[in-house]
Amino acid sequence: ETGVTQSPTHLIKTRGQQVTLRCSSQSGHNTVSWYQQALGQGPQFIFQYYREEENGRGNFPPRFSGLQFPNYSSELNVNALELDDSALYLCASSSEPAGVLGGELFFGEGSRLTVL
Amino acid sequence: DQQVKQNSPSLSVQEGRISILNCDYTNSMFDYFLWYKKYPAEGPTFLISISSIKDKNEDGRFTVFLNKSAKHLSLHIVPSQPGDSAVYFCAASKGNQGGKLIFGQGTELSVKP
Repeated sequence: ETGVTQSPTHLIKTRGQQVTLRCSSQSGHNTVSWYQQALGQGPQFIFQYYREEENGRGNFPPRFSGLQFPNYSSELNVNALELDDSALYLCASSSEPAGVLGGELFFGEGSRLTVL
Repeated sequence: DQQVKQNSPSLSVQEGRISILNCDYTNSMFDYFLWYKKYPAEGPTFLISISSIKDKNEDGRFTVFLNKSAKHLSLHIVPSQPGDSAVYFCAASKGNQGGKLIFGQGTELSVKP
């Protein structure tokens, strides 16, 4: 059973650029959630994807967007990068949209984004 | 608006003693609470959870207590081991929004040999 994998692990961008982060969900999981973790803070929910549709969104602007593919992998896209977008981006998968009822989210190691 | 708060950024405990990590929340609609542990360069891993209909859940060395009237939960680790040294996050969810966890800021636990 493979766990949640994310790529790239580290990347550096400049302000105004665009970035795409990728996530492969754990085997058997059909739901992916994305979180942003700023330095010294807890993870903040960005959005969740289930059956290729957005299924809930946190307090993030539209320049944060995502996709889920038929194999349940997912992408997080951020346009017009700002300095405050520098953070660890975590992907988590679960076997159902509710995720944590009777179970929990399985997180990847994250993608560390630095915006200069 | 921080709905889940962990007011202690760090905690240091001697090996073999009890570690108590605290978490407060403000939203009475939360009905499920979880603790995650995070080592450096790794993603958070699930540790233990509790439903709002219970006041205690135990799993080996780990016990979570929930006090709904005080909107407070705590994680007890007994006995503490050096391998428990990590950042611990408290998280909460409500209704059918299980994938949308609201996390606290985390508490860094250091267990000294």
